[in-house]
Amino acid sequence: GAVVSQHPSRVICKSGTSVKIECRSLDFQATTMFWYRQFPKQSLMLMATSNEGSKATYEQGVEKDKFLINHASLTLSTLTVTSAHPEDSSFYICSAREPTSGIGNEQFFGPGTRLTVL
Amino acid sequence: KQEVTQIPAALSVPEGENLVLNCSFTDSAIYNLQWFRQDPGKGLTSLLLIQSSQREQTSGRLNASLDKSSGRSTLYIAASQPGDSATYLCAADNYGQNFVFGPGTRLSVLP
Repeated sequence: GAVVSQHPSRVICKSGTSVKIECRSLDFQATTMFWYRQFPKQSLMLMATSNEGSKATYEQGVEKDKFLINHASLTLSTLTVTSAHPEDSSFYICSAREPTSGIGNEQFFGPGTRLTVL
Repeated sequence: KQEVTQIPAALSVPEGENLVLNCSFTDSAIYNLQWFRQDPGKGLTSLLLIQSSQREQTSGRLNASLDKSSGRSTLYIAASQPGDSATYLCAADNYGQNFVFGPGTRLSVLP
């Protein structure tokens, strides 16, 4: 099946710094990638939809200036958490659609990035 | 706005039991419904995907059904094993626009 990777898998940073998380589709081209956030013992919440070559679409309540998304190529999307604060500590997961999948645009998920802001 | 719920929130069973996890969604105009497994601190593992035109999918000891008209999906796990212990999430795909996840069912299978 299609593989999606994320880097880094875990990051600890000081409050006020910016952190970049990469999401890559390794064996397919993804015109659309998604970014989710998961707080402890809660489910995944969609943050934004990342479209290659255009601006991301953010869900209601997600600050676009704080969570910068860039989808510069068909295999890479990045999420930058700017001026991170402890409340941004969370598990961030990306996914990508494999548009030629024989099972109907299935989403493939990355392994996630654990962000801890001190 | 699509809302997805899962029942029960948590389940503890002895090894060997057959069990059913339930997922309900409010908007039946879905593209597909997908079941995932998530181990603590880990990412998602896709288990089964049911397209809107299908009624069920099977993989090994897992069987997932979909009833769009009633807004329900069930995940059946046969002969449960301790290794099945994890959180199971269902997600409704609204015509490729976005995925809405349920809150999950935390399953513990006791040896």
